[in-house]
Amino acid sequence: GQQLNQSPQSMFIQEGEDVSMNCTSSSIFNTWLWYKQDPGEGPVLLIALYKAGELTSNGRLTAQFGITRKDSFLNISASIPSDVGIYFCAGQLNGGSQGNLIFGKGTKLSVKP
Amino acid sequence: SQTIHQWPATLVQPVGSPLSLECTVEGTSNPNLYWYRQAAGRGLQLLFYSVGIGQISSEVPQNLSASRPQDRQFILSSKKLLLSDSGFYLCAWSRDSGSGNTIYFGEGSWLTVV
Repeated sequence: GQQLNQSPQSMFIQEGEDVSMNCTSSSIFNTWLWYKQDPGEGPVLLIALYKAGELTSNGRLTAQFGITRKDSFLNISASIPSDVGIYFCAGQLNGGSQGNLIFGKGTKLSVKP
Repeated sequence: SQTIHQWPATLVQPVGSPLSLECTVEGTSNPNLYWYRQAAGRGLQLLFYSVGIGQISSEVPQNLSASRPQDRQFILSSKKLLLSDSGFYLCAWSRDSGSGNTIYFGEGSWLTVV
């Protein structure tokens, strides 16, 4: 089946550092979504991207829809302890029907105060 | 605004017992509805999705079933739970707008089968 490769799998950083994670695929996507999940809770949407090349910010978060439509990255600037959690990318295949949102395996972020 | 709610939040059930997890969406009509399972805090696996009342698509063969008796209600069920059914179950919804959908998740339900 289709796969998204999300990296890194986990990150341990110092408070104040910037963070970068990305997702790549061999398939073309028409939507990229980034979610954050806190322990024991459902994922919360951070940023949604719908156009190739689109660069969108949400506070200290910035995400881009790759120009090839096969990748996306998420950056977090000046990390703080509450950034801890698991970040998921998700993509919807080009021309896809319902139910074909594909998720990466997540990046677990730990922030040391 | 739209909200999604699922319950119960946690459940401990013996092997062989039945299961019913419920999910409702408010503030929108004719949503697409989804059930996901997440094991060990990673990796979301799509179990079922529905584009309308009584319309259920199953993504993986399993011991579970889903039903959509009303437009904004989605139910995950099992007649006899297995130990392997333990996990974190997430209900989700998206607008019925073809491509470019954004999926919104509920709070999740922890199921432990003992």
